[in-house]
Amino acid sequence: DAKTTQPPSMDCAEGRAANLPCNHSTISGNEYVYWYRQIHSQGPQYIIHGLKNNETNEMASLIITEDRKSSTLILPHATLRDTAVYYCIVRAAGGTSYGKLTFGQGTILTVHP
Amino acid sequence: DGGITQSPKYLFRKEGQNVTLSCEQNLNHDAMYWYRQDPGQGLRLIYYSQIVNDFQKGDIAEGYSVSREKKESFPLTVTSAQKNPTAFYLCASSQDRIVGGYTFGSGTRLTVV
Repeated sequence: DAKTTQPPSMDCAEGRAANLPCNHSTISGNEYVYWYRQIHSQGPQYIIHGLKNNETNEMASLIITEDRKSSTLILPHATLRDTAVYYCIVRAAGGTSYGKLTFGQGTILTVHP
Repeated sequence: DGGITQSPKYLFRKEGQNVTLSCEQNLNHDAMYWYRQDPGQGLRLIYYSQIVNDFQKGDIAEGYSVSREKKESFPLTVTSAQKNPTAFYLCASSQDRIVGGYTFGSGTRLTVV
């Protein structure tokens, strides 16, 4: 699976949009971008994933650049409960490339009042 | 509701003792995984299983053993051969043949004294 690079930490004011970047310059054509978050001492929570089109769900939006070498997770109206470690992961889906998710260090997002 | 149950949440053991961590899922997922997390670090894969009666070593399998006798269950045994067993252990499952996210349990914090 391709390697990802994320900033170690970011801050955001409550109510504002949080934009978390991720670089995955070695991504291949069949690899998806996944985002998870982990609140302290809990299991990671799935947020969103995408292949090449932008995606939106009730939690967040995922913007993937046209060359697929980077992406941005957007939390449109951050709350204090969004304070967590956010992981960007690239993996192939289905077939024989079974999903061993490889977690990096992630980005610690701190939402301030 | 479907999900993954890990038990116990906290576990204390004496050095040199084997200990088994439980993981049960009712999501009808084919694949199950065990990850280890140390303070301030990302998750590292210990073992994974794509199907009943089959499992594969992950990146840090030494000192651990698993079994997959039932689809719903994937217990992890931390043996006395594991040099630094104190950690946060997370179990996950996925339906790998379908693009989608993993579901994680809430974790077991093991402390060896």
